[in-house]
Amino acid sequence: QKEVEQNSGPLSVPEGAIASLNCTYSDRGSQSFFWYRQYSGKSPELIMFIYSNGDKEDGRFTAQLNKASQYVSLLIRDSQPSDSATYLCAVGGAQKLVFGQGTRLTINP
Amino acid sequence: KAGVTQTPRYLIKTRGQQVTLSCSPISGHRSVSWYQQTPGQGLQFLFEYFSETQRNKGNFPGRFSGRQFSNSRSEMNVSTLELGDSALYLCASSYDRDNQPQHFGDGTRLSIL
Repeated sequence: QKEVEQNSGPLSVPEGAIASLNCTYSDRGSQSFFWYRQYSGKSPELIMFIYSNGDKEDGRFTAQLNKASQYVSLLIRDSQPSDSATYLCAVGGAQKLVFGQGTRLTINP
Repeated sequence: KAGVTQTPRYLIKTRGQQVTLSCSPISGHRSVSWYQQTPGQGLQFLFEYFSETQRNKGNFPGRFSGRQFSNSRSEMNVSTLELGDSALYLCASSYDRDNQPQHFGDGTRLSIL
């Protein structure tokens, strides 16, 4: 079992809809959770982080964390074509940060 | 505030050569991590340095090595290059080791001929 798992996609969402990206992790001791966006040919860019159970909102982005289910998600409201990218989930604990393989998201105009 | 700076941006080498990549972290950040990214394997952790000490190492052969200087700048070296070493090498820095967001540089794209 991989430490951090994401559906590789591609996930196709119409413009203006909500995109939902999911991530599960295996280490119950994990303490920090991050979402990165990576455009093709570019480096990952941090867009959200969350430490506590529940939701955290930042503009059109909402991160959701459920530690009991070992599940973290990212919602993108009012999806725009510029949101088309690969989204990487990263899970942190003692002295390490583990990345998932990423989900490729395509927003269709 | 300047971001993470990686040099060079692009490199072309031949098999058997060695290469050194450089990373300057965000000012005040003491942790530097290195990753290899390839289309097939995704983002693979190489190693992490904090206060000039290697604190964590990924599952890569000994040909991959690194170091960190007192000003937190870091270098990674790859010796006896192989075709499979062609990849995007990313450096990320964070303020502290645990549970802090990592911020990535633009990467060094290494091509082995």
